[in-house]
Amino acid sequence: DAGITQSPRHKVTETGTPVTLRCHQTENHRYMYWYRQDPGHGLRLIHYSYGVKDTDKGEVSDGYSVSRSKTEDFLLTLESATSSQTSVYFCAISDRAGAQGYTFGSGTRLTVV
Amino acid sequence: AQSVSQHNHHVILSEAASLELGCNYSYGGTVNLFWYVQYPGQHLQLLLKYFSGDPLVKGIKGFEAEFIKSKFSFNLRKPSVQWSDTAEYFCAVPNQGGKLIFGQGTELSVKP
Repeated sequence: DAGITQSPRHKVTETGTPVTLRCHQTENHRYMYWYRQDPGHGLRLIHYSYGVKDTDKGEVSDGYSVSRSKTEDFLLTLESATSSQTSVYFCAISDRAGAQGYTFGSGTRLTVV
Repeated sequence: AQSVSQHNHHVILSEAASLELGCNYSYGGTVNLFWYVQYPGQHLQLLLKYFSGDPLVKGIKGFEAEFIKSKFSFNLRKPSVQWSDTAEYFCAVPNQGGKLIFGQGTELSVKP
C-alpha cells in the first residue's frame, strides 16, 4: 500500500531520550491513527487525529504525544522513552471514522534499551 | 464499551485442513466487522469486512466469515489452508466513537 509510509522502519534508542516517529500519507484521508502492537495484546490505540491540529487520546496514551500540522503527516513522540515502550508501532488511515476499515503502514519497530 | 475477543491464541494445522477462528464482540447494535491478516514481518491487511446484508462474507484468498448476530460472533473460515496462510489474524470492530478496536490476535501456523 504505497499510500502510507512510516519512518524510520527500525530504531534503537536509550531510555530517557525523546523519539519521534513519522507517518506520511498520500491519500488525503482525514483520519489518522497510531497503534502499538505487543504480543498478547493485539493492537492498542495510542492517539488519533480527525483533522489538521485535531487530535485525541486513545487507550494507551500515557508517555506519548502527537501532532498533525498537515493533512499528510502525523507524528508520534515518545517524550522520554522507557523500556515498556519497546514495541511495534503502526500508523493507519481512513477516510471515514473507522466504519470502513483502515489502511495500515508497514510499522516501526522501536527498541528502548 | 465495545470489546472484541479471539479465543484461539495459537492454532496449528496441517495443509488442506479446514480452519475456523473465533471472534466475539460485546456491543449488540449495528456493527461493521473486519478481519485483518498480518503475514510475518508485514503490516496488517484487510481480509474481509461485513457491513450489512448477507451474513456470509467472502474475502480474499478463499477466506469467508459468517456474522451471527444472536451469538455476537464473526468467525473466520477457510475450507482448506495452505502453508502460505501462516500469519496472525485479527478481528476488529468499531467502538461507539468509530475507532477500530482489535482482538488479541490468533497466530496460525500451517505445517507443510
